[in-house]
Amino acid sequence: QKEVEQDPGPLSVPEGAIVSLNCTYSNSAFQYFMWYRQYSRKGPELLMYTYSSGNKEDGRFTAQVDKSSKYISLFIRDSQPSDSATYLCAMSGSGGSNYKLTFGKGTLLTVNP
Amino acid sequence: DADVTQTPRNRITKTGKRIMLECSQTKGHDRMYWYRQDPGLGLRLIYYSFDVKDINKGEISDGYSVSRQAQAKFSLSLESAIPNQTALYFCATSDMGSTDTQYFGPGTRLTVL
Repeated sequence: QKEVEQDPGPLSVPEGAIVSLNCTYSNSAFQYFMWYRQYSRKGPELLMYTYSSGNKEDGRFTAQVDKSSKYISLFIRDSQPSDSATYLCAMSGSGGSNYKLTFGKGTLLTVNP
Repeated sequence: DADVTQTPRNRITKTGKRIMLECSQTKGHDRMYWYRQDPGLGLRLIYYSFDVKDINKGEISDGYSVSRQAQAKFSLSLESAIPNQTALYFCATSDMGSTDTQYFGPGTRLTVL
């Protein structure tokens, strides 16, 4: 079993839809959970960062972490064509001193006008 | 100007050739990383460096070497390129106190014929 599993999609939705992106993981030591967004021909950029279980909201984006189920989600409300990108989940065992991020393979999202 | 720059942006080379990919950053971060990204495999860590004198192998370092010439510069070399090293290569940086927040360069698309 891979440490981080992410459905690669592709996922295609109409503008205004609610999008749900998910990752599962097997390493119970993971404590920090991130979502990176990668536009075509660009490097990934950090979108959301959460610690341990719970929810975090930033505008149209909500990140959820359920450590008991080893499951994280990113919700995008009122999706826009500009949200079309690849979304990568990432996680690490501890912040600060821990160098290593483990990434999911990424989900390609297209939001159609 | 971009905070993390990579040169070249695209490179085509032949099997057996030695090539170097360069990364420079103006963020003042101590930590730098090299990743490769392949379709269906996601981002994988090649090497990372916590400072000029501290260089460590990542999960897929075979066939690669690195040099940290200064705090701001981190180069990746392929000593004898082979076709399965064809990939998108990313450099990233992070601050010592926030390793999970990594800032990526725009990437180098390398093709080995």
